[in-house]
Amino acid sequence: DAKTTQPTSMDCAEGRAANLPCNHSTISGNEYVYWYRQIHSQGPQYIIHGLKNNETNEMASLIITEDRKSSTLILPHATLRDTAVYYCIPIIGFSNTGKLIFGQGTTLQVKP
Amino acid sequence: DVKVTQSSRYLVKRTGEKVFLECVQDMDHENMFWYRQDPGLGLRLIYFSYDVKMKEKGDIPEGYSVSREKKERFSLILESASTNQTSMYLCASSLAGTGGYGYTFGSGTRLTVV
Repeated sequence: DAKTTQPTSMDCAEGRAANLPCNHSTISGNEYVYWYRQIHSQGPQYIIHGLKNNETNEMASLIITEDRKSSTLILPHATLRDTAVYYCIPIIGFSNTGKLIFGQGTTLQVKP
Repeated sequence: DVKVTQSSRYLVKRTGEKVFLECVQDMDHENMFWYRQDPGLGLRLIYFSYDVKMKEKGDIPEGYSVSREKKERFSLILESASTNQTSMYLCASSLAGTGGYGYTFGSGTRLTVV
């Protein structure tokens, strides 16, 4: 499995865009990049995933560099409820036997 | 609403006791997982199962065992609880063939071993 590097913590002002980077320089061709987040005292929650194209859903956007060695999760208008730990996880897509291995993640603090 | 239900939110057990943590999912998911979460160490995978009666060791299986007799239920067993197993335990499930998509986690069981 590819290793990831994420900043330990970040701050963001409420209403502004939060941009969370992730380096995954050893990612293999068949690994997707998944993003999960964990709000305090809850289990992790799926956000978004992508292979090589940029992706957007109702929660966030995912920008993956052309060489696939890094990606950025964008929360376009962060709210206080987005305060959480965010995890970037490469995993083989559509694997019958995939398993999420969590790193340390980025603690995002959204401030009023 | 789909759910992963863990039997207890808080649990206090004595050293040496045999402890059962139960997890039930109602989504007909093939895959089920047990994690523990500790400050500074993050979420670590203990055991997982891709099918009934199947089990695989995760990164930290020592001191634990699991049982999956039915598709919807995955039990984590601490054969002889120790204080270093005091932790938050999280169960998760997912559909086979979906990679990392759509894992659903339970609310967790905070276990204290005294």
